[in-house]
Amino acid sequence: EVQLVESGGGLVQPGRSLKLSCAASGFTFSNYYMAWVRQAPTKGLEWVAYISTGGGSTYYRDSVKGRFTISRDNAKSTLYLQMDSLRSEDTATYYCTTYYDGYYHWFAYWGQGTLVTVSS
Amino acid sequence: DIVLTQAPLSVSVTPGESASISCRSSKSLLSSKGITSLYWYLQRPGKSPQLLIYQMSNLASGVPDRFSSSGSETDFTLKISKVETEDVGVYYCGHRLEFGAGTKLELK
Repeated sequence: EVQLVESGGGLVQPGRSLKLSCAASGFTFSNYYMAWVRQAPTKGLEWVAYISTGGGSTYYRDSVKGRFTISRDNAKSTLYLQMDSLRSEDTATYYCTTYYDGYYHWFAYWGQGTLVTVSS
Repeated sequence: DIVLTQAPLSVSVTPGESASISCRSSKSLLSSKGITSLYWYLQRPGKSPQLLIYQMSNLASGVPDRFSSSGSETDFTLKISKVETEDVGVYYCGHRLEFGAGTKLELK
């Protein structure tokens, strides 16, 4: 059974940092591109960042470019999102997802999400 | 960038009746390999999203055949026949990294 378990969310002040983790199991983690998708309260879904299988290529939406860093440790089957210079508009539930499996670009599997609240 | 437009934004359905949700793309989603990369996701209340339909018309594992999807290169329809309580939630269409705004389905 595929499992994606996020951790690291919480309340943080504007301008501070937070690092999210996502522990994966039940599939060959190193074969998948991985992504973070977020959802602000009462809003829709929005991709944040994604990373290639080996970690050598990373992509970000414009609003987080230069502030967020996605990375992975294939030996530990773990995905990360380092979030710096946080803003109130980054407040959201962050979901870890699989993205590209070598054939199709799709969000096939999702974690349960971790809530990040940016507020003073 | 591709823009996905869903309609309606909300729909209220009597249990046992059918519901349809539309998704329109600003560009063709048909690839040169003949695959239409349109996906449907369901987010039940308080839960994370889950994949319902892939490549426009294929049911994801465990999805009941009350769900069906069809379309052309730019216009798509998700149909739910005999709506049940467990179908309540927000439905999103998607293509690669982009999502539609979502359609909230509730019961009358």
